[in-house]
Amino acid sequence: GENVEQHPSTLSVQEGDSAVIKCTYSDSASNYFPWYKQELGKRPQLIIDIRSNVGEKKDQRIAVTLNKTAKHFSLHITETQPEDSAVYFCAASTMNNAGNMLTFGGGTRLMVKP
Amino acid sequence: EPEVTQTPSHQVTQMGQEVILRCVPISNHLYFYWYRQILGQKVEFLVSFYNNEISEKSEIFDDQFSVERPDGSNFTLKIRSTKLEDSAMYFCASSELGEGEQFFGPGTRLTVL
Repeated sequence: GENVEQHPSTLSVQEGDSAVIKCTYSDSASNYFPWYKQELGKRPQLIIDIRSNVGEKKDQRIAVTLNKTAKHFSLHITETQPEDSAVYFCAASTMNNAGNMLTFGGGTRLMVKP
Repeated sequence: EPEVTQTPSHQVTQMGQEVILRCVPISNHLYFYWYRQILGQKVEFLVSFYNNEISEKSEIFDDQFSVERPDGSNFTLKIRSTKLEDSAMYFCASSELGEGEQFFGPGTRLTVL
């Protein structure tokens, strides 16, 4: 089955700096890669996702890159703000009409210091 | 904005007891999922459900677990005989399409004593 590794497990940055979180996956059939943000005590919320037919996707201060050959994808947050502090999870799946089983990475606790 | 809801928010039970965790997916969604997150660990897939049947399940989802959609709105996870290691946060999720974004509920924290 799929295995997703995520690094680093914790990341501390100064407000305004950039943050990069990296994930690798094992199953070359995976074709969908979402990123979830989970604030303390709250539900995971999708912040951005990318499909395997695209190499990069950007949404304001957040971007995701995908390297299918190397089987890794990364989350980039620019101009970080204190409200970006949370745990970020990457995930991978092989989407089909029967559903979309997500395999998650171990999470990265991002702390943005004001 | 519609949200997935879950009840209860916290369930405490004795080992060996049965528990039922309840979820109300977003109303026009067709695909339903259960995940769990043991404290300090990663989110793990349990089961997906579509067209009134299980479409996929993980190794965790053994004979002690079952899911049901008893009516047009609820989606439940039953654990027949709870073990200490079942203590975790259980998240329900739903999506409109099989290839669509999954929306997560707020979770039910299950504590097995």
